[in-house]
Amino acid sequence: GQQVMQIPQYQHVQEGEDFTTYCNSSTTLSNIQWYKQRPGGHPVFLIQLVKSGEVKKQKRLTFQFGEAKKNSSLHITATQTTDVGTYFCAGRLEYGNKLVFGAGTILRVKS
Amino acid sequence: EPEVTQTPSHQVTQMGQEVILRCVPISNHLYFYWYRQILGQKVEFLVSFYNNEISEKSEIFDDQFSVERPDGSNFTLKIRSTKLEDSAMYFCASSRVGGHAEAFFGQGTRLTVV
Repeated sequence: GQQVMQIPQYQHVQEGEDFTTYCNSSTTLSNIQWYKQRPGGHPVFLIQLVKSGEVKKQKRLTFQFGEAKKNSSLHITATQTTDVGTYFCAGRLEYGNKLVFGAGTILRVKS
Repeated sequence: EPEVTQTPSHQVTQMGQEVILRCVPISNHLYFYWYRQILGQKVEFLVSFYNNEISEKSEIFDDQFSVERPDGSNFTLKIRSTKLEDSAMYFCASSRVGGHAEAFFGQGTRLTVV
């Protein structure tokens, strides 16, 4: 079945440091979405990338979709304590509605 | 702001019992989903539902599971005979359209099978 791999599993950074999580799919994706889940919370949509090579920014967050539409990354510049949580990528196949989630990257930020 | 609501927030059940988890998707959304998340693990797709029928399901969604939209607002997940390994957080989600729309997740129902 379709696999979406996400690394690293866990990252602990000092406040102000940068953070990146990477996502790789075994198959070409129609689009990729990123979600954030705060501890004890539910996944909350951050952004969707659709086009090959697309780059989108939200303040300190930069999202990229690879040229082959099989990989993606989320980069946070100068992390803050409010960034803590688990970041999930979720890919959609060319056909169908199923969102396949990566395992998530847990981000902890030391102040 | 419209949101997906799920009830109950926590359900404890005996192994072998049937449970029904309830969801009210956002009113103008057409696609509905159930996901589960075992504690500390990733979010796993169970099933998607559109136009009153299942459009996709995963290998997790076996004969013990069923979904229903009994009226115009509710979307339910039934587990016929619960097993210990069904203990997880179950999230309902909905989206306005299928392939290219964000999914809005409910707060989840924590199911504990004892």
